[in-house]
Amino acid sequence: DIQMTQSPSSVSASVGDRVTISCRASQGISSWLAWYQQKPGKAPKLLIYAASSLQSGVPSRFSGSGSGTDFTLTISSLQPEDFATYYCQQANRFPLTFGGGTKVEIK
Amino acid sequence: EVQLVESGGGLVQPGGSLRLSCAASGFMFSSYEMNWVRQAPGKGLEWVSYISGSASTIYYADSVRGRFTISRDNAKNSLYLHMNSLRAEDTAVYFCARLSMVRGLIFDYWGQGTLVTVSS
Repeated sequence: DIQMTQSPSSVSASVGDRVTISCRASQGISSWLAWYQQKPGKAPKLLIYAASSLQSGVPSRFSGSGSGTDFTLTISSLQPEDFATYYCQQANRFPLTFGGGTKVEIK
Repeated sequence: EVQLVESGGGLVQPGGSLRLSCAASGFMFSSYEMNWVRQAPGKGLEWVSYISGSASTIYYADSVRGRFTISRDNAKNSLYLHMNSLRAEDTAVYFCARLSMVRGLIFDYWGQGTLVTVSS
């Protein structure tokens, strides 16, 4: 199975800050990576697919990069509605696996 | 508008059984591959099972293989998860999630989830 490791597990930031979240795959997955945002009590929401493609309707302050084993989600200017938990997911093959999550908290 | 609505969760004793349902609307259900994903309280996301549009291909996570059965009824636009021999560690919110048709093995729509609690 492909293991996904996210870092950090939590980050404290202020509105307007730039936030970067990392995700590492245990083996190469090309660009088969997605990022999701989840707010408490809600279902995850797709933000980024194919490592860097923005899902329709997602604000442009979100961006993704990377390929192979190392990936990054960047929020360029944190907004109040962005405080949530973010998960990466490898989309290369079954079993599909997620990172452990990164909680973005208010500083 | 794509909608996925889960039901069937509840409290069940260890060793018991439960059937979850997911009612789909707003898209051609039979054309899409569907999944169950779960989330234990305060924990991360765990993929559980996959079924192709025609139900000809099915996959399970090791943690549920042999105990859970995924199925679908395309005439009723419904997805199911039959859960047997339930354990405390199966306690979680269970989401049904649609796989994107064109963007690879990613989940483009999710239901709101249904809570399964396994406890005596």
